[in-house]
Amino acid sequence: QKEVEQDPGPLSVPEGAIVSLNCTYSNSAFQYFMWYRQYSRKGPELLMYTYSSGNKEDGRFTAQVDKSSKYISLFIRDSQPSDSATYLCAMTLMNRDDKIIFGKGTRLHILP
Amino acid sequence: GAGVSQSPRYKVTKRGQDVALRCDPISGHVSLYWYRQALGQGPEFLTYFNYEAQQDKSGLPNDRFSAERPEGSISTLTIQRTEQRDSAMYRCASSPGLTSGTGETQYFGPGTRLLVL
Repeated sequence: QKEVEQDPGPLSVPEGAIVSLNCTYSNSAFQYFMWYRQYSRKGPELLMYTYSSGNKEDGRFTAQVDKSSKYISLFIRDSQPSDSATYLCAMTLMNRDDKIIFGKGTRLHILP
Repeated sequence: GAGVSQSPRYKVTKRGQDVALRCDPISGHVSLYWYRQALGQGPEFLTYFNYEAQQDKSGLPNDRFSAERPEGSISTLTIQRTEQRDSAMYRCASSPGLTSGTGETQYFGPGTRLLVL
């Protein structure tokens, strides 16, 4: 079993819809969770950074962590064509850990 | 085996000076990334290389920042004419595959803590 599982998509939704992106993981020791957005041939751009369980909101983005289910989500409200990208979840044991595990990424298309 | 190493671990410099931060990736790793990490935040991407080729430098804050990896192994991140706002932890990571970062584990170095006075 991979440490981090993420559906690669593609996921296509109409503009304005709420997008839900998810990852599951197997290592219950993960404490720090991140979501990155990546455009084609670009490096990953950090969107959200959360510690342990709970919700975090930043503009149109909400990150949720459910450690009991080993499940994390990223919600995008009022989706826009510019949100079309690959979204990667990532997680690590400690804030200064020497290893960050990335998911495979979900390709998202927002249809105008 | 040896992990990613970075030097120096700490660097204090005066505003206006140039600094060079070194990253020595895990042997054989193809991809190398530079990140900047603020206290209590996740790593923010700066630039990355596949072998010696710089694939994306869009994360570099401005043209005072540059990076190179001339032989596809060791990389240097250079900051010219440092400013106080450049103070941060600079972290390097490497991954074994030829990738743009998707689905690969990235192995991080301990970081260089830069303080610009």
